[in-house]
Amino acid sequence: EAQVTQNPRYLITVTGKKLTVTCSQNMNHEYMSWYRQDPGLGLRQIYYSMNVEVTDKGDVPEGYKVSRKEKRNFPLILESPSPNQTSLYFCASSPIAGSTGELFFGEGSRLTVL
Amino acid sequence: AQSVAQPEDQVNVAEGNPLTVKCTYSVSGNPYLFWYVQYPNRGLQFLLKYITGDNLVKGSYGFEAEFNKSQTSFHLKKPSALVSDSALYFCAVRDTGKGTYKYIFGTGTRLKVLA
Repeated sequence: EAQVTQNPRYLITVTGKKLTVTCSQNMNHEYMSWYRQDPGLGLRQIYYSMNVEVTDKGDVPEGYKVSRKEKRNFPLILESPSPNQTSLYFCASSPIAGSTGELFFGEGSRLTVL
Repeated sequence: AQSVAQPEDQVNVAEGNPLTVKCTYSVSGNPYLFWYVQYPNRGLQFLLKYITGDNLVKGSYGFEAEFNKSQTSFHLKKPSALVSDSALYFCAVRDTGKGTYKYIFGTGTRLKVLA
C-alpha cells in the first residue's frame, strides 16, 4: 500500500531533550516536506527536499533540522525542543517528474514540549 | 509575496443544501491550486486540483472547484452536502513561476453539515 509513515504519532517530551520524528514513504517520490499545523495558522512549511542531499528552508525552519540521506526517509530533528514547538506535525511527499504536484500526507505526529 | 486566504473559519450548511468554501490566492506566476480535506486525527487527503484548462474542476466525493483568474479565487463547491462532509478543508497553492516546490496553505475552514 502506498503510504507516508510518521513516527511517533504522539510524543510528550521536556524542554531541551533532543528528539527525531521519522518520515518514510514507499512511493519513490523525489519531493518530501515537513509542515506544522497550529490552530488559526493552518499548515506552515518547515523544510522541504527535492531529492537526496537537497534540502531547503520553508517558512518556519527555526529550531528544526532535516536530512535526506536516502530517498525514502526525511527525518525532522529538534535539537533542543521548546514549548513553542508544541504542535501537530505532518510529513508529505510528491513525485516531481511528470507530476502536477498533489501531496501525499502522513497521519501526523502530535508533539507536546513541557 | 505568495499567500492564500480562506476568509471563513467555519461554514455551516444544512444537509442536502449546496456548499461553498472560499479561497483566494496571490502568487507571482501561474498557480497550481489544490484543495485538501482533513478528518479528525487524520492526515490531509487530496480532493482536487487546478493546473490549466477548464475553470471548473471535479474531484473526489462529488466536490468541484471553480478557478477564477480575474478574482484570483478557487472556491470549493458541492451541490448537495452530506453530514459526512463535515471536516477541515485547506486550500493550497504552488507557485510555478519561481520553479520551486514551495507550497502555501490557507488557515483552513471547518465545514459543519447539520442533519
